[in-house]
Amino acid sequence: EVVLTQSPGTLSLSPGERATLSCRASQSISSNYLAWYQQKPGQAPRLLIYAVSSRATGIPDRFSGSGSGTDFTLTISRLEPEDFAVYYCQQYGSSLRGTFGQGTKVEIK
Amino acid sequence: EVQLVESGGGLGKPGGSLRLSCAASGFNFSSYIMNWVRQTPGKGLEWVSSITSSGRYIYYADSVKGRFSISRDNAQNSLHLQMNSLRAEDTAVYYCANTGGFGDLNYWGQGTLVTVSS
Repeated sequence: EVVLTQSPGTLSLSPGERATLSCRASQSISSNYLAWYQQKPGQAPRLLIYAVSSRATGIPDRFSGSGSGTDFTLTISRLEPEDFAVYYCQQYGSSLRGTFGQGTKVEIK
Repeated sequence: EVQLVESGGGLGKPGGSLRLSCAASGFNFSSYIMNWVRQTPGKGLEWVSSITSSGRYIYYADSVKGRFSISRDNAQNSLHLQMNSLRAEDTAVYYCANTGGFGDLNYWGQGTLVTVSS
């Protein structure tokens, strides 16, 4: 099983600042099967990034994904008030199985 | 517009059963792998079960294997999760979601809360 470790656990930033979230996998993720989600309180997760760096439909271009192998990054170039939320990375492997990271909370400083 | 609407959650007793359903619309349901993902209160996300478009291949997390059963009805555009031998640790919000081309979960339902308690 691939274990995803996200860091930091909490990121305290101000609107307009840049956010850099990390996701590290316990083994190399093949075929670019790495996604990022945003979740706000009381809501379902929302897909932001798929295939490491492709933005989902309707996602603003201040969100970007990068990385390969075992190290992946979600960057929010300039935080808007609506971006304060919890972010999860997710990988998809063989046998229909996916796993999630434990999440990074981006909070207002 | 894609919609996934879960139902069937509620209070279940330890050792009891519940059946969750997910009604899909707005996309070609029969072409997609479908999944159940759960989230325990205040905690993270756990991939529970998946089923291929035809229903031929199925995955279960070790935590539910032998107790939960996933199924789908492509004629009715519906996904189900039969939950037996419920445990307190099954208490969670259960989401259905479809799998995109790169293993991402591109659409999610609003979730249904399952509480297991005596």
